[in-house]
Amino acid sequence: AQSVTQPDIHITVSEGASLELRCNYSYGATPYLFWYVQSPGQGLQLLLKYFSGDTLVQGIKGFEAEFKRSQSSFNLRKPSVHWSDAAEYFCAVGTSSSNTGKLIFGQGTTLQVKP
Amino acid sequence: NAGVTQTPKFQVLKTGQSMTLQCAQDMNHNSMYWYRQDPGMGLRLIYYSASEGTTDKGEVPNGYNVSRLNKREFSLRLESAAPSQTSVYFCASSKVTGELFFGEGSRLTVL
Repeated sequence: AQSVTQPDIHITVSEGASLELRCNYSYGATPYLFWYVQSPGQGLQLLLKYFSGDTLVQGIKGFEAEFKRSQSSFNLRKPSVHWSDAAEYFCAVGTSSSNTGKLIFGQGTTLQVKP
Repeated sequence: NAGVTQTPKFQVLKTGQSMTLQCAQDMNHNSMYWYRQDPGMGLRLIYYSASEGTTDKGEVPNGYNVSRLNKREFSLRLESAAPSQTSVYFCASSKVTGELFFGEGSRLTVL
């Protein structure tokens, strides 16, 4: 069965420091991978997605993620974190090539940013 | 731009009561979805509608029903609410292949 694991429930980084959020997936076929961000009291917003091609994908707000098939990972990175990046981050895998809205989500990682 | 609009935003029910969560999107998307979010479990798909006139079960459909009223509207109904259905419910829409656009959520408490 498909699954997504985000090993870190909570991460705290200092403003200006680099960030890496981990995501591991289990899926038999070529995965469709996503990172979404959720600010408190809000819905989720897409940061970036991987369908095929270049394994390093760029997203909004200066985020990037790298797909590593050998490690079944899709980690999210940002070189310099801003206080406004404090939020909850969700990794997700698409379960259908014909309907990429059917997603399996990870448990989420809450990011706290210290001034 | 309204995007995806959900009502109500908050609701408290007693066990056994029924209610319907309403969702409407103005982006002319074919596909619509209902997810629930519970602490430590991420989001889980309840039902989806790939196109007007079709609905299918997701990962956790038990205790829920849906109606795709037209291309814009997709409602979720709880016929007999249970405490286990206390959650935050998100409606979303998308083109068939593409990103999800989420509403702001409906927080439901079942006592």
